[in-house]
Amino acid sequence: DGGITQSPKYLFRKEGQNVTLSCEQNLNHDAMYWYRQDPGQGLRLIYYSQIVNDFQKGDIAEGYSVSREKKESFPLTVTSAQKNPTAFYLCASSIRRAGGPDEQYFGPGTRLTVT
Amino acid sequence: GDSVTQMEGPVTLSEEAFLTINCTYTATGYPSLFWYVQYPGEGLQLLLKATKADDKGSNKGFEATYRKETTSFHLEKGSVQVSDSAVYFCALAPGSEKLVFGKGTKLTVNP
Repeated sequence: DGGITQSPKYLFRKEGQNVTLSCEQNLNHDAMYWYRQDPGQGLRLIYYSQIVNDFQKGDIAEGYSVSREKKESFPLTVTSAQKNPTAFYLCASSIRRAGGPDEQYFGPGTRLTVT
Repeated sequence: GDSVTQMEGPVTLSEEAFLTINCTYTATGYPSLFWYVQYPGEGLQLLLKATKADDKGSNKGFEATYRKETTSFHLEKGSVQVSDSAVYFCALAPGSEKLVFGKGTKLTVNP
């Protein structure tokens, strides 16, 4: 079955450590996205990528980094510079259309807790 | 800039009640509009979409009509079930590279 996988489902880290969240898709989508979700604040865009080897900052990129070396993969690193990293992280992908973005397909999410 | 405004939650209904979740938007041009649903602890799932004015999206008994004159895309369901309890997000694709999401509305349906 085609879809997006995120691993792990739950992740625990100590403050000051970098941590990398995995996102893989087998939908053959060009575009991929990372969102952060906090209670009552909806989704906030961290980074997105329209093609391999290219990505752009979203609304809250500070303290995060990404890479897009393969079409299927878009890992997110939460660095020690991120002030409040505890959150639910969602990865998404979409077909890239000339007229603008199509609907996005979401993974199951990773809940990161930093203590 | 482009934005989406959803009704504040939480919304609590009894089973078989009628549901309306309001969504209005601000955008230039002719954006596509979406409703997503998120069940507890899961990612978002596309519920329905509409790509042009007067289009009606529908799925699983939910409907929403793209009203350009009122810049609205309200979600409705005639008879909700306990299994519809979730958070619902309205979103728009304004023609740029990103979707714009509302803050979400939490729905609880009691038996």
